[in-house]
Amino acid sequence: SYELTQSPSVSVSPGQTASITCSGDKLGDKYVCWYQQKPGQSPVLVIFQDTKRPSGIPERISGSNSGDTATLTISGTQALDEADYYCQAWDSTTVVFGGGTKLTVL
Amino acid sequence: QVQLVQSGAEVKQPGSSVKVSCEVSGGSFIRYTISWVRQAPGQGLEWMGRITPILGTSEYAQKFQGRVTITADTSTSTVYMDVSSLISEDTAVYYCAREAGSHWFDSWGQGTQVTVSS
Repeated sequence: SYELTQSPSVSVSPGQTASITCSGDKLGDKYVCWYQQKPGQSPVLVIFQDTKRPSGIPERISGSNSGDTATLTISGTQALDEADYYCQAWDSTTVVFGGGTKLTVL
Repeated sequence: QVQLVQSGAEVKQPGSSVKVSCEVSGGSFIRYTISWVRQAPGQGLEWMGRITPILGTSEYAQKFQGRVTITADTSTSTVYMDVSSLISEDTAVYYCAREAGSHWFDSWGQGTQVTVSS
């Protein structure tokens, strides 16, 4: 079965750029999306189709996908960005999630 | 604006079944694809299966084949997920979510806590 791998945690200082990666075999051939989840809340879509932002998501959140790695980039990171982030792709007839990355803003 | 409202928390005994509902409002329910995703305590998201009412078909992750049943009632715009033979490892928050475009989820329910305990 297809697998997506994320680092368990990433730390960033306020105002700096955070990069969260998601890896999978030939992931660049698939569409990737990203969700933000804060404690006790439902996930929120922040990136779909590799690079697109839903309405209401700030421009400082961006995505890319090439080769075996997709990347979620948060520029000018703020305290409110502290959350768990999950990548997700579609393989055959199955939805696949990465294990999640906890973003800490120090 | 699509809204998904789920049923309340459940406590179940091992070996029993649970049925969780997800009422969808806003837009054309019958054309949507609704998935169920669960999250065990302190763990990540796990896709369980999906249904598209207009097609009348359900698909399931291999792990849940035979133990999970997803149905839809078009008269009430409600999707149901039934999980049988519950074990303690089924303790989790269960979410319904609307699938858009190329299989991303743009709207989520508030989550339903299911606790399996004797």
